[in-house]
Amino acid sequence: DIVMTQTPLSLSVTPGQPASISCKSSQSLLYSDGRTYLFWYLQKPGQSPQLLINEVSSRFSGVPDRFSGSGSGTDFTLKISRVEAEDVGVYYCMQGIHLYTFGQGTKLEIK
Amino acid sequence: QVQVVESGGGVVQPGRSLRLSCAASGFTFSSYGMHWVRQAPGKGPEWVVLISHDGSNKYYADSVKGRFTVSRDNSKNTVYLQMNSLRAEDTAVYYCAKGEWLVDGRPDYWGQGTLVTVSS
Repeated sequence: DIVMTQTPLSLSVTPGQPASISCKSSQSLLYSDGRTYLFWYLQKPGQSPQLLINEVSSRFSGVPDRFSGSGSGTDFTLKISRVEAEDVGVYYCMQGIHLYTFGQGTKLEIK
Repeated sequence: QVQVVESGGGVVQPGRSLRLSCAASGFTFSSYGMHWVRQAPGKGPEWVVLISHDGSNKYYADSVKGRFTVSRDNSKNTVYLQMNSLRAEDTAVYYCAKGEWLVDGRPDYWGQGTLVTVSS
């Protein structure tokens, strides 16, 4: 099974400041078709998860451009350029190369 | 707009069965794979199953294989999750989520979930 490890598990950010979350997979997420199956989700308080980032770096429909994803192979990063109050919640990375596995989540709160 | 609405959750005794339903609207249901993902209280999401757009492919998590069965009725825009031999560790909110167009890909839009509690 592929294990997804996120760091940090929590972070507290002042509005307007950047934030960064790391996600590491136990094996490469680069598939033979040349695509990398790493996704990011945000679960806001009391809501279901919502897709933020497709295949490492492609923002999903309606996602603000302050969110960006990067990485390759086994190491990935989600960055928020300027955190806003509405960004609070738990962020999950998920691999999709062999079925689907989520990371343990990173809780973002506002200072 | 895309909507998926789960139903059928409740309290059930260990070893018993339950069937969840997910009604979809706002997209061409028969062209999209559909997922079930669950989330135990205070935990992160755990992917459960994916059924392809035409029902020909089904992928299960090891934790439910042999106990859970996914199906869909494209004439009713509905996907089902039959859960047998339920265990305490199956207690979770079960989310239905839309997949990708014509391929067996990741979930994007999720419903609000239905709570399943397995307890004697």
